[in-house]
Amino acid sequence: DSGVTQTPKHLITATGQRVTLRCSPRSGDLSVYWYQQSLDQGLQFLIQYYNGEERAKGNILERFSAQQFPDLHSELNLSSLELGDSALYFCASSPTRGFTEAFFGQGTRLTVV
Amino acid sequence: GQQLNQSPQSMFIQEGEDVSMNCTSSSIFNTWLWYKQEPGEGPVLLIALYKAGELTSNGRLTAQFGITRKDSFLNISASIPSDVGIYFCAGQNYGQNFVFGPGTRLSVLP
Repeated sequence: DSGVTQTPKHLITATGQRVTLRCSPRSGDLSVYWYQQSLDQGLQFLIQYYNGEERAKGNILERFSAQQFPDLHSELNLSSLELGDSALYFCASSPTRGFTEAFFGQGTRLTVV
Repeated sequence: GQQLNQSPQSMFIQEGEDVSMNCTSSSIFNTWLWYKQEPGEGPVLLIALYKAGELTSNGRLTAQFGITRKDSFLNISASIPSDVGIYFCAGQNYGQNFVFGPGTRLSVLP
């Protein structure tokens, strides 16, 4: 158990819908990272928050948004969902701004039908 | 953007054999990370490399930071069934985000 909690574990929704994925970082960690892993693909970096502020942005679509709350949990919002958004979405957290100390959660598997 | 290639894409080996895999980039990196992902789990960091030529071990795993700074290698000695999984490399250049490779899928036959 990495200490990073992601909910829900599985989500099935229809095209055009909006979903929210939640991540609770390890106790004391200030950074949260979101990654997308499509079938047989490596992880694609979406976005990083550090202590409530957006710190780095990757290949995140405009239909996607995220935020980190004062209690440091983070939510990833995916809207106007398309079939191609079906993927595993991982959250990772680290105590500092650096990624090398990050631990990953178990992921949320999103299926868009 | 930056791309990483990993080879082989997949490998089937007998228990007890040694394993070698590599990761290459067209760009120079200053940090390399190696992860293992098992089914239903998130990636777990195995080894971090910070200096060209660096050789670092973690149990039966040994990874090297290539001297050109464009590649890295991971070796697993005396493989066991629990080594099964997908091995990812990730590289970073100063001030940029980490980039992940597509992974090497390892299967160990008893």
